[in-house]
Amino acid sequence: GAVVSQHPSWVICKSGTSVKIECRSLDFQATTMFWYRQFPKQSLMLMATSNEGSKATYEQGVEKDKFLINHASLTLSTLTVTSAHPEDSSFYICSASEGAAYEQYFGPGTRLTVT
Amino acid sequence: KNQVEQSPQSLIILEGKNCTLQCNYTVSPFSNLRWYKQDTGRGPVSLTIMTFSENTKSNGRYTATLDADTKQSSLHITASQLSDSASYICVVPLSGGYNKLIFGAGTRLAVHP
Repeated sequence: GAVVSQHPSWVICKSGTSVKIECRSLDFQATTMFWYRQFPKQSLMLMATSNEGSKATYEQGVEKDKFLINHASLTLSTLTVTSAHPEDSSFYICSASEGAAYEQYFGPGTRLTVT
Repeated sequence: KNQVEQSPQSLIILEGKNCTLQCNYTVSPFSNLRWYKQDTGRGPVSLTIMTFSENTKSNGRYTATLDADTKQSSLHITASQLSDSASYICVVPLSGGYNKLIFGAGTRLAVHP
């Protein structure tokens, strides 16, 4: 149980384009989903927290207009990187939770490369 | 300041050998501490969860210890295998909930044949 998937597992896009990453909870309803970014040899950094049906809460320094998060259902959240630039190249990981009092389960990650 | 510090930063051992990874935390209030294994290019996978009242917990060849008084935890890997090569991350939830996780920087373990 508690499986979280991400799609795609890797993506290459050109600078200036937008790319969407999906995060799905496969066997439970995720009231809350989280998006993390991880640069090489660094730990995960929380970008934003989203509750189903509500606007996402972004961490300080994360541009909400650049990283659009939608959590329209209890099993799906999407992260759209708009007007991507090479510095956005990173490993993006989502996690899902049944609520604030419940454990986060991590997805397998999406490797984004912006050329 | 709520922090999680891990040591060593990296470690190389020979296959079959044991090793111990360390984690010190200053997160308060404390409810639990987690160890995750993260393979290269993959998301973190939970190994153990230690609550305040637990001193030792095993998961196969992984044994975690917790000293809530000194705010230290360790992860001991027995009879290492090549597949143990990964980053091991110590994580402590903030304020007793799970909405905010404090991550350690991880220990990168390489097991050589």
